[in-house]
Amino acid sequence: DTEVTQTPKHLVMGMTNKKSLKCEQHMGHRAMYWYKQKAKKPPELMFVYSYEKLSINESVPSRFSPECPNSSLLNLHLHALQPEDSALYLCASSRRSLAGGPTGELFFGEGSRLTVL
Amino acid sequence: AQTVTQSQPEMSVQEAETVTLSCTYDTSESNYYLFWYKQPPSRQMILVIRQEAYKQQNATENRFSVNFQKAAKSFSLKISDSQLGDTAMYFCAFMKPLNTGTASKLTFGTGTRLQVTL
Repeated sequence: DTEVTQTPKHLVMGMTNKKSLKCEQHMGHRAMYWYKQKAKKPPELMFVYSYEKLSINESVPSRFSPECPNSSLLNLHLHALQPEDSALYLCASSRRSLAGGPTGELFFGEGSRLTVL
Repeated sequence: AQTVTQSQPEMSVQEAETVTLSCTYDTSESNYYLFWYKQPPSRQMILVIRQEAYKQQNATENRFSVNFQKAAKSFSLKISDSQLGDTAMYFCAFMKPLNTGTASKLTFGTGTRLQVTL
């Protein structure tokens, strides 16, 4: 299994709603990522989890709350979002190299397309 | 901070022809990695090719090869025998190994949209 599965594929929410994006991988990867991608732009890193601990938070607003309940799952909880938060949210995972360091090869999901009304 | 520049927003190539996508980067690091990622329309992003900065030999993966010029900080991607399935957004990316061990932090360029035509 070499897939990163993201649900839902599409989500429409109001500014007062609370919703969650889910990401799952069964490749044994111990690093997982959330990226935000606007149309025709490169992905922007939001959060990195390494061994289920948050290791990087790229100064993301607190209305985005990540959670890594186990080594296979990554959630992104959304609350009180703004219309400018509408974007494609990508989850990714990566494995260690044989030497123990990062490889740089990220395995991406297809993304969750979020629209905030 | 590292920057990655892709100066060609869009390119077009005919099927079976060869195309080269440009990428330059700026860093003060001596040890780093460079990548080309491909994002087809409505499909997930995948790694095309990877280059370690300490390796002088250019990386090759089937029809994809790079021209890595470390002194010039240039990292171009050549696609030979272009196929319709190569139509995608191509992102050049830079990575400096993190102290977090297993995690990778990539800096992406702005992308080049490649259209392969009949």
